[in-house]
Formats: sequence, structure tokens, C-alpha cells
Amino acid sequence: SQQGEEDPQALSIQEGENATMNCSYKTSINNLQWYRQNSGRGLVHLILIRSNEREKHSGRLRVTLDTSKKSSSLLITASRAADTASYFCAYGVSGGYQKVTFGIGTKLQVIP
Amino acid sequence: NAGVTQTPKFRVLKTGQSMTLLCAQDMNHEYMYWYRQDPGMGLRLIHYSVGEGTTAKGEVPDGYNVSRLKKQNFLLGLESAAPSQTSVYFCASSSPGTGAYEQYFGPGTRLTVT
Repeated sequence: SQQGEEDPQALSIQEGENATMNCSYKTSINNLQWYRQNSGRGLVHLILIRSNEREKHSGRLRVTLDTSKKSSSLLITASRAADTASYFCAYGVSGGYQKVTFGIGTKLQVIP
Repeated sequence: NAGVTQTPKFRVLKTGQSMTLLCAQDMNHEYMYWYRQDPGMGLRLIHYSVGEGTTAKGEVPDGYNVSRLKKQNFLLGLESAAPSQTSVYFCASSSPGTGAYEQYFGPGTRLTVT
């Protein structure tokens, strides 16, 4: 399977702490994205990083990409209870359509 | 804008029954997708469409059919439901125009096959 893998699969932290999630993939990619899924809801796009970028920031989110190691990390700083959700990486490969492959997700619990 | 909507939200089927899941988007997106989500498996692509009248198989297409007769709608059909098709189904759409690859998801349909 070409599915990406997130690590850890589950993470529990206290409010205010930082949360780091990692994603590994097996193929050459065009871009990598991170999505959030609240319980019982659809996925929401958080951030995209292209293969020629190494780091990207959006608010409290910081994403890094290491194409030589085929890995990415998502850092959420100063976590809040509202950040409790599952986080998925998804990567796109070059092609004629925007098909992405999703990882299995990291379940984050932020304890107030 | 409603974004991406899915009908129905929940459904229980008996083995062998058929049903159609409807996805509608009002963002004029060219691309539409159907995924299934199972515990520990993440999202897996069932079928996708790159434009009105076109469909293609994804990673797990067996037992499903799709149609895209109108740009805004993408239908997923189960002709003879099996317990292995118990899952949460998500529809998504995206646009090639911006090159952003961002997908917009519907709220999901929880299907149970007994």
C-alpha cells in the first residue's frame, strides 16, 4: 500500500503544551497536506507544503518537509482543548489529476 | 455557500440491498471524490471524477459504482450491499484552477450493513 503513516497514532497532552505529529510516505510527492477531523465530522484542510519547500507556518501550525527522508511533521504550539481531533497527512503525486493519498491519522487529545 | 453536502447522513441496510449516496457541491469544482473511512485504515479512495461525465476507479472500487451526470453531483451506488461495506463514506471536491490541491469534504454518511 502507498498509504502514508502517521506517528504516533495517539497523543495526549495538557493544554498549553506543544503537539508534534509525524508523517512518513513511500513515494515521490508533489505536495503534502495536513487535515483535521473533529469527531463525527468531515476533514478540514489545514496547510499545504510543496515538495520544494522545507517549512511552512500558519498561525499556531508549523509544518516541515524532508523529501530525502520522505517525512513531514506537524507542530501545534500552545495547544488548546479545541485542538482535540484526529490529524491526517495527505500527499499528492504528479499527475493529471489532484488525487491524494491519506495517512491513517494521529488522534490528539488536549486535556484542559 | 453550503459547500459539500451528503445525503443521507445515516443508513442501515440488509445484506443484498442496494442504495445510492448523493454528494452535491456548490463551489463549481471540477474534481470530486468518494472515500471510505474505517478504523485504523484512514481514508481510502473508492472512485473519483475529473469532470462531468467522467469517472475513474480509486484504491478500493469493488462493489461500488459511480456516476457524474451533472458537474455539481457525484453519486455512489452499492448494488448489493455486504457487511464489509459498513463504513463512513465521505465525499470531497477540489478545483484544479488554483493548483492548491485542497479538498473540501462533506460531513459523511454512516452506513451499516447487517
